[in-house]
Amino acid sequence: DSGVTQTPKHLITATGQRVTLRCSPRSGDLSVYWYQQSLDQGLQFLIQYYNGEERAKGNILERFSAQQFPDLHSELNLSSLELGDSALYFCASSVEGSNTGELFFGEGSRLTVL
Amino acid sequence: GENVEQHPSTLSVQEGDSAVIKCTYSDSASNYFPWYKQELGKGPQLIIDIRSNVGEKKDQRIAVTLNKTAKHFSLHITETQPEDSAVYFCAGRDTNAGKSTFGDGTTLTVKP
Repeated sequence: DSGVTQTPKHLITATGQRVTLRCSPRSGDLSVYWYQQSLDQGLQFLIQYYNGEERAKGNILERFSAQQFPDLHSELNLSSLELGDSALYFCASSVEGSNTGELFFGEGSRLTVL
Repeated sequence: GENVEQHPSTLSVQEGDSAVIKCTYSDSASNYFPWYKQELGKGPQLIIDIRSNVGEKKDQRIAVTLNKTAKHFSLHITETQPEDSAVYFCAGRDTNAGKSTFGDGTTLTVKP
């Protein structure tokens, strides 16, 4: 158990809809990262938050947005969903300022868009 | 930004043999190189890492080597076991900048 909690584990929805994925980082971790993993694909970086502020942005679509709340949990909002958005979405957290930068991953939220 | 390439994409070995996975990176600022193992239905988990001031690191059957000049690093698994079967990801990170960039992954199958 990494200590990172993601909900929901599975989500099935229709094209055009909007969903919210939630992540609770490990206790004490200030940074939260979101990654997308499509079928047979690697881990594509979406966005990073550090202590409530956006710190880095990857290939995140304009239809997607995220935020980190004062209690450090984070939400990833996906709107106007398309079939191609079906993927595993991982949240990871880390202790910023450490020398290693190890990421602790949750078990992912599997999104299926029909 | 950083670009990490990983080879091979699939690797099949017999139990007891060694497995080697190689990665190259592009950003000279990257100073931390972790390897993650992802089992089916799970999130990736760190198995070993190396920092840029170290050339080699070993942990039981797993070792990682880093060549900063050539910008490549490798994962070596000796005496492979069926439970080593998983997807392995390498990554590069500048710990001063934030995000980790991952390779595309290697699916390792260890045949009993």
